[in-house]
Amino acid sequence: GAGVSQSPSNKVTEKGKDVELRCDPISGHTALYWYRQRLGQGLEFLIYFQGNSAPDKSGLPSDRFSAERTGESVSTLTIQRTQQEDSAVYLCASSHDRVLGAFFGQGTRLTVV
Amino acid sequence: DAKTTQPPSMDCAEGRAANLPCNHSTISGNEYVYWYRQIHSQGPQYIIHGLKNNETNEMASLIITEDRKSSTLILPHATLRDTAVYYCIVSGTASKLTFGTGTRLQVTL
Repeated sequence: GAGVSQSPSNKVTEKGKDVELRCDPISGHTALYWYRQRLGQGLEFLIYFQGNSAPDKSGLPSDRFSAERTGESVSTLTIQRTQQEDSAVYLCASSHDRVLGAFFGQGTRLTVV
Repeated sequence: DAKTTQPPSMDCAEGRAANLPCNHSTISGNEYVYWYRQIHSQGPQYIIHGLKNNETNEMASLIITEDRKSSTLILPHATLRDTAVYYCIVSGTASKLTFGTGTRLQVTL
């Protein structure tokens, strides 16, 4: 596709359940990022993948959060044992390299009830 | 990454130029200035970036002072659809872009 695609667009889950969020980056983009945005707040960096390098996981808030990326394509963000404070919009972005601007998807709105 | 300072809000009349300032006095030599915007309920949108020279694209112009301690994003003919929060970010790479609170630009008739 032409842009970054994220699925699902909305997810409602019960507290304690695990969820998987998917990101399909723009074809050819080697860099992929995950951010989180709580209601009315700014973007929080979560994790960054660049090619075959080890990912920068410094933004992951707890060990319940993990992410994987298959080569230079799709990425999944997994949240285990979800808590109500995990409710947010999870945004994925990709860029052609480390310097060029990143292009964001429309996000997955996660609601933990 | 260097910290940036932006006014919390600005108004601009439709059709006029919107000039959004950003201070980044602690910027280092290898750090770029990036501008993004976020329209309500949408993901952030990349606008432009620069290192030293002024830059222009189809969306906007970026003016960086000679000492690189501040910059201005210029939307030459603002429209109602340009109403958004505009973020100025300074970073050595496109990773870990730290989004602050930005400037809420309101374009009015």
